[in-house]
Amino acid sequence: EAGVAQSPRYKIIEKRQSVAFWCNPISGHATLYWYQQILGQGPKLLIQFQNNGVVDDSQLPKDRFSAERLKGVDSTLKIQPAKLEDSAVYLCASSPQQGWLDTEAFFGQGTRLTVV
Amino acid sequence: DAKTTQPNSMESNEEEPVHLPCNHSTISGTDYIHWYRQLPSQGPEYVIHGLTSNVNNRMASLAIAEDRKSSTLILHRATLRDAAVYYCILRPPWGFGNEKLTFGTGTRLTIIP
Repeated sequence: EAGVAQSPRYKIIEKRQSVAFWCNPISGHATLYWYQQILGQGPKLLIQFQNNGVVDDSQLPKDRFSAERLKGVDSTLKIQPAKLEDSAVYLCASSPQQGWLDTEAFFGQGTRLTVV
Repeated sequence: DAKTTQPNSMESNEEEPVHLPCNHSTISGTDYIHWYRQLPSQGPEYVIHGLTSNVNNRMASLAIAEDRKSSTLILHRATLRDAAVYYCILRPPWGFGNEKLTFGTGTRLTIIP
């Protein structure tokens, strides 16, 4: 079974530039998550989709971050304009939903963003 | 959100059992207890989860206290590959609202050869 695919793996941009990350979840997984992980900290949930609807985006800085999940499959996360404090690893994860039963989430390798 | 408390770090000798504790005194009756771990330079990976009864799988065992206010992840025979940050997470099942998967700071486990 193919895992969660993310691209690019690494990105270096200057502050105030824009950047986009792409995520292809495991086929058939209804739930998709984007996390931001700053060095030395645990992953912080930015946004969680259920199919193409948003379950939670309470920690997404909406003035500069946006995310979409078209047709309930692939997803993109965009930052515009980037700030130095956005330097982090951006993780995408997906999980199947089997009724009310809880399921495990599968994570991609992440995209390491450096803002200079 | 219900909170979990874990030690910042732990050490264990290789080939010995490891018991990683997690306190969750405000857990609700429907919250599942999940454990994930994150190896260096990788995304987190699922380890195990449970509701009330103890659970076993090929990676680990999960022991849940009778009052569900604490749990312990047990690695039966630690190897160097088990060196990682371990996260204990509470999560309600789908349909109960707030089905977020929220990570804390976790426990950094060091394995001593």
